Amino acid sequence: GNSVTQMEGPVTLSEEAFLTINCTYTATGYPSLFWYVQYPGEGLQLLLKATKADDKGSNKGFEATYRKETTSFHLEKGSVQVSDSAVYFCALISRDFGNEKLTFGTGTRLTIIP
Amino acid sequence: DTAVSQTPKYLVTQMGNDKSIKCEQNLGHDTMYWYKQDSKKFLKIMFSYNNKELIINETVPNRFSPKSPDKAHLNLHINSLELGDSAVYFCASSQWHRFLAGGASTDTQYFGPGTRLTVL
Repeated sequence: GNSVTQMEGPVTLSEEAFLTINCTYTATGYPSLFWYVQYPGEGLQLLLKATKADDKGSNKGFEATYRKETTSFHLEKGSVQVSDSAVYFCALISRDFGNEKLTFGTGTRLTIIP
Repeated sequence: DTAVSQTPKYLVTQMGNDKSIKCEQNLGHDTMYWYKQDSKKFLKIMFSYNNKELIINETVPNRFSPKSPDKAHLNLHINSLELGDSAVYFCASSQWHRFLAGGASTDTQYFGPGTRLTVL
């Protein structure tokens, strides 16, 4: 079956530090890959996505590249802000009709200190 | 103009009670989902409906019964609530794309704000 493994948290960084949150996956076929973010007390928001190999998703300074050869989709940001503090979820969706569920990683809690 | 809305936002109830959570989307999507997030933030799908038809049921107890009166609504009814049902429940929606060559796929799912259920 499909699975997503992401970096254990929590992660604490200083403002303006470089961020990497690792994510690797196993899936049948060619899944679409996503990063969702959950701010405190809120629902999930799509942060970025990539639908095929070598695609790069980007949004709000965050980037992730779909690497088929390493089955990875690591999230990066060059300079984090306090407002980036949240829980980040890596996820994939397979393309089999009747099995198009989102499979999530366990989430990584990120805290940015001023 | 909320895309995916859920009511109520908070629900506190006693063990053994029956409760419902409602979900509505105004995105014109044809597929809706229910996810459960446990206390450790782990998210897992429960159900998925496409055009009012159940297409995913992830070994959820029979006490949970989703109902989709139309494409824009997917409600979740829970009978005989148990302590272990305490969680945050998220509704989501997406659009299926059918390909001329056959097959289909869905893409981005949009989530509601969640309903925090506490069973005492």
